Amino acid sequence: AQKVTQAQTEISVVEKEDVTLDCVYETRDTTYYLFWYKQPPSGELVFLIRRNSFDEQNEISGRYSWNFQKSTSSFNFTITASQVVDSAVYFCALSDGAGNNRKLIWGLGTSLAVNP
Amino acid sequence: ETGVTQSPTHLIKTRGQQVTLRCSSQSGHNTVSWYQQALGQGPQFIFQYYREEENGRGNFPPRFSGLQFPNYSSELNVNALELDDSALYLCASSLAANTQYFGPGTRLTVL
Repeated sequence: AQKVTQAQTEISVVEKEDVTLDCVYETRDTTYYLFWYKQPPSGELVFLIRRNSFDEQNEISGRYSWNFQKSTSSFNFTITASQVVDSAVYFCALSDGAGNNRKLIWGLGTSLAVNP
Repeated sequence: ETGVTQSPTHLIKTRGQQVTLRCSSQSGHNTVSWYQQALGQGPQFIFQYYREEENGRGNFPPRFSGLQFPNYSSELNVNALELDDSALYLCASSLAANTQYFGPGTRLTVL
């Protein structure tokens, strides 16, 4: 069965520190998608990135970077030079299903607190 | 701003009552997915609608039902509310199986 594990429940850092959020997934599908979403205190889930299973290139977007390794079934997320506005719960998710049915399977989230 | 809206923002009901939550999808999107997120948990998939047809369902009882309208907006109905139904209900819209974009959610409290 598909599963997403985010082992870090809570992380607390001081502003400007780098922080890495871990995500490990399980799936028997050969084609799948991985996602990261950010959930600030307001509750709305904000899409950050989508990566398909055939693209293992790392991606960088500003202070955010993602490391996808199929060999270890991991899709880790690094924030460089963290800021207070990065404080939120971050979710890793895995798409499940084929065709037009793409429900998302979610980890429990990692709560990141960036302190000034 | 994703363009996905949900109403109401907050709702308080008592056990046994029925509730309807609404979602307007982003322009150009034809698929709506509903999720339930209990406090401190990740979202759980309830069901998905694609072109007005249910297109997948999670492990939720039949008292959770929904529909999608021709303009691709959607409703989630929950009958016979239970205390455990208290949660944040999230709606996501997408173009078929592409990336899902979420609305702000409806926080339901069942007393």
